[in-house]
Amino acid sequence: DAGITQSPRHKVTETGTPVTLRCHQTENHRYMYWYRQDPGHGLRLIHYSYGVKDTDKGEVSDGYSVSRSKTEDFLLTLESATSSQTSVYFCAISADSWGPNQPQHFGDGTRLSIL
Amino acid sequence: AQTVTQSQPEMSVQEAETVTLSCTYDTSESNYYLFWYKQPPSRQMILVIRQEAYKQQNATENRFSVNFQKAAKSFSLKISDSQLGDTAMYFCALFSGGSNYKLTFGKGTLLTVNP
Repeated sequence: DAGITQSPRHKVTETGTPVTLRCHQTENHRYMYWYRQDPGHGLRLIHYSYGVKDTDKGEVSDGYSVSRSKTEDFLLTLESATSSQTSVYFCAISADSWGPNQPQHFGDGTRLSIL
Repeated sequence: AQTVTQSQPEMSVQEAETVTLSCTYDTSESNYYLFWYKQPPSRQMILVIRQEAYKQQNATENRFSVNFQKAAKSFSLKISDSQLGDTAMYFCALFSGGSNYKLTFGKGTLLTVNP
């Protein structure tokens, strides 16, 4: 299994508070991704990174920011959490962006509840 | 924009029987890759099988095989000799190049294998 660790695994917080989720990989893969999973929507890409300090937006990036200061760590931040951001968040990694080196390998997910 | 449609929100099958999950997709790219991911109750995202669009031969992985109909943009997953451990959510995903370097997921099909 690919070495991907997400922390925390579960979090409950209140509306308006900042939240940071961490993804740590031991595979030295260049690409890292953050998805959210909601019933009826499958997985939707929030942001991704193609290298240290290189990030780009996905399809549902509003309200989220990311940072990648080291190859192994990719942080997802909700500056002021809202109830609509209650979801399961998955981190994924891949060696590069092109098809043969998809699939992406996924972490175990973080269940985030915002009350 | 690329899209992936899974028209069966839920399916069930008896243990040892065969079941087929449907997926249709749309992309304007000529080179792309298709994937089936499995998500059991443990929440892990596990790659089941992948298909490269330029390969005519259908991919097979043990009890899992696909029926790839490129002209019809259809990519169904067949599970033979279903086992209780196959109970999971199954996601179809499309990766294509161009300016859209990302995986697009369908909304998923919940498969229940009954004893």
